[in-house]
Amino acid sequence: EVQLLESGGGLVQPGGSLRLSCTASGFTFNSYAMSWVRQGPGKGLEWVSAINGGGTKTYYADSVKGRFTISRDNSRKTLYLQMSSLRAEDTAVYYCANLNWAFTRAFDIWGQGTLVTVSS
Amino acid sequence: EIVMTQSPATLSVSPGERATLSCRASQSISSELAWYQQKPGQAPRLLIYGASTRATGVPARFSGSGSGTEFTLTISSLQFEDFAVYYCQQYNNWPPYTFGQGTKLEIK
Repeated sequence: EVQLLESGGGLVQPGGSLRLSCTASGFTFNSYAMSWVRQGPGKGLEWVSAINGGGTKTYYADSVKGRFTISRDNSRKTLYLQMSSLRAEDTAVYYCANLNWAFTRAFDIWGQGTLVTVSS
Repeated sequence: EIVMTQSPATLSVSPGERATLSCRASQSISSELAWYQQKPGQAPRLLIYGASTRATGVPARFSGSGSGTEFTLTISSLQFEDFAVYYCQQYNNWPPYTFGQGTKLEIK
């Protein structure tokens, strides 16, 4: 079964750091670009970051550039998002998603999400 | 950045009827548009890519159309499980990937 499972969310103070993980199963992880998409409480979807299959190219939304770092460990089939200098507006459910650049070019598979709350 | 605008924000339709959701791009995106369905407490699900191609396992009552800047998602005969929020998303010019603000499809 194709699956993505996020972890690492929680409550963090403004200015703090957190690392999210997303573990993949059921597909050839290193063949696919991956991405993080977030959804603030009661809000729509916002793309955060993407990384190519080899981990050599990364892309960021302006809202997180310089504060968040996306990376991947293909041997562990795991995607990461290192978040620092967190702000209240970063509070959201963070989803990892499979980016199928070769076929659909869309976000094919989504994890169930992990909640990040930035609050004092 | 390409801005995606969906209308209406909320659409009330009776089961068995047709629903038509609209999405507009601030500049031409060819056919590089996807539609997603999101139910409460769940992750989004890819429905349509390439503006009109159904993703694997998506029922035939879902259809997408349009190109350039104007796009439509049509659900031909609404089932109870179709009541959800729908998002369009462009992948023509990125970063950033951009989503519409969503259309909530509710039972009339």
